[in-house]
Amino acid sequence: DAKTTQPTSMDCAEGRAANLPCNHSTISGNEYVYWYRQIHSQGPQYIIHGLKNNETNEMASLIITEDRKSSTLILPHATLRDTAVYYCIVNPGGTSYGKLTFGQGTILTVHP
Amino acid sequence: DTAVSQTPKYLVTQMGNDKSIKCEQNLGHDTMYWYKQDSKKFLKIMFSYNNKELIINETVPNRFSPKSPDKAHLNLHINSLELGDSAVYFCASSQDSGASTDTQYFGPGTRLTVL
Repeated sequence: DAKTTQPTSMDCAEGRAANLPCNHSTISGNEYVYWYRQIHSQGPQYIIHGLKNNETNEMASLIITEDRKSSTLILPHATLRDTAVYYCIVNPGGTSYGKLTFGQGTILTVHP
Repeated sequence: DTAVSQTPKYLVTQMGNDKSIKCEQNLGHDTMYWYKQDSKKFLKIMFSYNNKELIINETVPNRFSPKSPDKAHLNLHINSLELGDSAVYFCASSQDSGASTDTQYFGPGTRLTVL
């Protein structure tokens, strides 16, 4: 299964864009990149996913490089409530039957 | 309406006791999961069930026994609780675990403390 590498922590000023990078250099052609976040003491929350095209939803944007070896999650206008641990995960699908591997993630701290 | 719910939210018990955690999803999903998040905050999958059939069974002591009475429920029973079982347990569900586009939705967690 493809592994991911993320910075341990990042800071962002409230109202500014938060750009969270992720490396997944061993990703396979049909594996999707998923982003979840976990706000303190809550369950992980799905944010967005993509294969090779850039994706946007009401929460965030996902930029995937052309070679698919890395991606960036963008929170366009970070708020204090976006302070959380952000997980970048490669979903292998198939016979992995949903076995997602959560790494240490990136602790994003949004400050006033 | 809560999509994935768990009860109880907190569970404090003595070593050696047997306890259960319940999970229900109202999303109509076919697959349900149990994850454990220990004190170091790593989230690890324990089990998954698809249409009441066990699909994933990670290296978990056999004191842990999941039970799925129907595809909307997946309960976790733990026998002879040990100090090391203290953790937050999360239930999740998804529509099609075999798809690489399958999205898992998590419950709020159950914080288990074994004294």
